[in-house]
Amino acid sequence: EPEVTQTPSHQVTQMGQEVILRCVPISNHLYFYWYRQILGQKVEFLVSFYNNEISEKSEIFDDQFSVERPDGSNFTLKIRSTKLEDSAMYFCASKVKGLAAQYEQYFGPGTRLTVT
Amino acid sequence: QKEVEQNSGPLSVPEGAIASLNCTYSDRGSQSFFWYRQYSGKSPELIMSIYSNGDKEDGRFTAQLNKASQYVSLLIRDSQPSDSATYLCAVNVANFGNEKLTFGTGTRLTIIP
Repeated sequence: EPEVTQTPSHQVTQMGQEVILRCVPISNHLYFYWYRQILGQKVEFLVSFYNNEISEKSEIFDDQFSVERPDGSNFTLKIRSTKLEDSAMYFCASKVKGLAAQYEQYFGPGTRLTVT
Repeated sequence: QKEVEQNSGPLSVPEGAIASLNCTYSDRGSQSFFWYRQYSGKSPELIMSIYSNGDKEDGRFTAQLNKASQYVSLLIRDSQPSDSATYLCAVNVANFGNEKLTFGTGTRLTIIP
């Protein structure tokens, strides 16, 4: 069964460094998302992406964050200058646009980002 | 602020019994409702979706939606130890097919053998 994949599974970085988290959505999906979950807290929406542009972003997704679909398969989240509070699990999700039955978002395994 | 509320638990249920998980949401415009299961340290795994009032059954799982009461629930029949996890209620805030998900904090379910 097709699934969303993410790399790396764990990233450790120093405060102020740039990180790029990578995702390969399910191949026929058209909508892509990033969510994050700080340890012990709820899953929070960061950004949605469709047709090579951002559709919506949350207040968390400030100028330090950017997303890109550099080719036909990868979807990336870049954090330009990491802060301690960026430490979290980052989940990529994707969705097929179409019938109501296909409004379901499927999540990747996540990347655990640790900022020291 | 659009909210999704769940009891954080823990909810303890004997093996073989029915587990009942509840969720309320604040945005009356919400259109789609989802239950995800999350094992510790893992990603959310979709187990049920529901879009219209009433019940939807899939194997041991039944989702129930009542839009008038802004309430969605999940029943797990014949609970198994492998059902022990945190169950996340998620609601879409629809925007022309984009549908970002708003999650509750999750209910931690423990099935007691």
